[in-house]
Amino acid sequence: ETGVTQSPTHLIKTRGQQVTLRCSSQSGHNTVSWYQQALGQGPQFIFQYYREEENGRGNFPPRFSGLQFPNYSSELNVNALELDDSALYLCASSFIAGGPSYEQYFGPGTRLTVT
Amino acid sequence: DQQVKQNSPSLSVQEGRISILNCDYTNSMFDYFLWYKKYPAEGPTFLISISSIKDKNEDGRFTVFLNKSAKHLSLHIVPSQPGDSAVYFCAASFTGTASKLTFGTGTRLQVTL
Repeated sequence: ETGVTQSPTHLIKTRGQQVTLRCSSQSGHNTVSWYQQALGQGPQFIFQYYREEENGRGNFPPRFSGLQFPNYSSELNVNALELDDSALYLCASSFIAGGPSYEQYFGPGTRLTVT
Repeated sequence: DQQVKQNSPSLSVQEGRISILNCDYTNSMFDYFLWYKKYPAEGPTFLISISSIKDKNEDGRFTVFLNKSAKHLSLHIVPSQPGDSAVYFCAASFTGTASKLTFGTGTRLQVTL
């Protein structure tokens, strides 16, 4: 069973640029969620994708967007980067079958630094 | 608005003793609670969960207790082992939120020899 993988591991971008982070879900999972973890904080929910559609969103502006592909891999895109976007971005996958799936399995994260 | 709070940033416990990690929440709509463990350079790993219809759930050395009237849950680790040293996050969710998890800020547990 393959776990959740994320790429890249680290990334440095300049304010105003755009970034794309990638996630490959755990084998057999059909749902992916993205979280932002700032230093010293717990992960904060950005959004979730199920069957290639957004299935819930946290308090993040529209410049945070995502995609889920037929193979259940996913991308997180952030436009017009701001310094406060510097954080660890975590992807989590789970399996939904007719009801909510609370137990999510996380990847190791992508550390984004915005300068 | 911190809906899930872990007021102890750190905890040190001797090997073999009990570790008790606490978590408080403010949103009474939460009906499912989870604990995650996180090692450096790794993503959070699911440990144990509890539904609001229960007040206790056990899994080996790990037990979670839920006190709904106090909006409080705790994680007990008995006996504590050096490999348990990690950051522990409490998380909560409720039906209809697309399984959105709301996390606390974490407690760093150090188990000493």
